[in-house]
Amino acid sequence: EDKVVQSPLSLVVHEGDTVTLNCSYEVTNFRSLLWYKQEKKAPTFLFMLTSSGIEKKSGRLSSILDKKELFSILNITATQTGDSAVYLCALRVLETSGSRLTFGEGTQLTVNP
Amino acid sequence: SAVISQKPSRDICQRGTSLTIQCQVDSQVTMMFWYRQQPGQSLTLIATANQGSEATYESGFVIDKFPISRPNLTFSTLTVSNMSPEDSSIYLCSGGRGSSETQYFGPGTRLLVL
Repeated sequence: EDKVVQSPLSLVVHEGDTVTLNCSYEVTNFRSLLWYKQEKKAPTFLFMLTSSGIEKKSGRLSSILDKKELFSILNITATQTGDSAVYLCALRVLETSGSRLTFGEGTQLTVNP
Repeated sequence: SAVISQKPSRDICQRGTSLTIQCQVDSQVTMMFWYRQQPGQSLTLIATANQGSEATYESGFVIDKFPISRPNLTFSTLTVSNMSPEDSSIYLCSGGRGSSETQYFGPGTRLLVL
């Protein structure tokens, strides 16, 4: 059975800190790994990773994938209170009927002023 | 990013009734999905909405409880039938493009069943 494990489940930091969120997985037929930020209702897409070792970057956020060790990390530098959210990792796996996303439990990040 | 809208944004319903949630996507979306997110939990895929044919349901979800329609490429509905308090959840429509595996989410429908 496909498995996506995120850690830590929750994290409290102060503004300006740097955080690293982890996502490890055990899936067959890996296709891609996606990161989302969920604040109130809908997850907002952040990154999609398909290749090992290639960092994706957007402002203070960056992410990288290690397909050998089966994990990805999401880094947030100089955190702000607006970064407070649940960060979701999802794996896209191929199936005979197409492909699907399997989500991890998420990491609840709280950034205090 | 794809534009995805849902309605209603929230509703409070009585036990035993049914609610139909609508999802409209822009023309660049080819794949449509319905997810549920129960309080404090992550997202669970309910089904893939197939255009012009029956949806493909995930284990634990059945058509009688969650009938889904997708009459054309850009519109889908999810009905939560014969609701119970356990159906209280956020229901999310999601769309992706066939040539890209990026997947986007609608704003969600927050459902409370009394």
